[in-house]
Amino acid sequence: AQSVTQLDSQVPVFEEAPVELRCNYSSSVSVYLFWYVQYPNQGLQLLLKYLSGSTLVKGINGFEAEFNKSQTSFHLRKPSVHISDTAEYFCAVSGDSGGSNYKLTFGKGTLLTVNP
Amino acid sequence: GAGVSQSPSNKVTEKGKDVELRCDPISGHTALYWYRQSLGQGLEFLIYFQGNSAPDKSGLPSDRFSAERTGGSVSTLTIQRTQQEDSAVYLCASSSYLDGYEQYFGPGTRLTVT
Repeated sequence: AQSVTQLDSQVPVFEEAPVELRCNYSSSVSVYLFWYVQYPNQGLQLLLKYLSGSTLVKGINGFEAEFNKSQTSFHLRKPSVHISDTAEYFCAVSGDSGGSNYKLTFGKGTLLTVNP
Repeated sequence: GAGVSQSPSNKVTEKGKDVELRCDPISGHTALYWYRQSLGQGLEFLIYFQGNSAPDKSGLPSDRFSAERTGGSVSTLTIQRTQQEDSAVYLCASSSYLDGYEQYFGPGTRLTVT
């Protein structure tokens, strides 16, 4: 079984400030990790993913995340946010559940609000 | 190329009616997933297809929910005798091992049961 915990349901920040959205996971199998973004009234868009290799992963829109196996974490960071980054962010985990089934288990989401 | 499409985008139905939601995955993607997004439960997995078979239906909430996939392509999620708690956004995603198992999501169908 897999689970994901996003520690903050809401994160308000000012424009041009740095931000970190926290994500912890648990899994009994090797994992793949993802961050998705959902803008208001839109679908899910992939920000970045960790499959293997370097633990520091860079994604779109200047976001990056670091996979930490010992702490079972995959925190998302951006050094300087923009108003347009206001959205809900979802951390997700998948692993081979058998038969090439890589279903995603999502966290509850973190609403990032960037204020001027 | 074309992404995942879903129809209808919005559906309002009366309690007790049956509804069908459609998903057109990206061409060539053999894996297809249905998820549900609701205020109370967040994003939940419903069912997984590999080709036309569904080896994992563990997320379907009740026997009122069923899904099928034909020709290794289009999938239909059917909800019988809808209840108010079925109100949610139903999301479809498809993937291919060639893309590192990244799932591409459709825009969703917003279902409202009155």
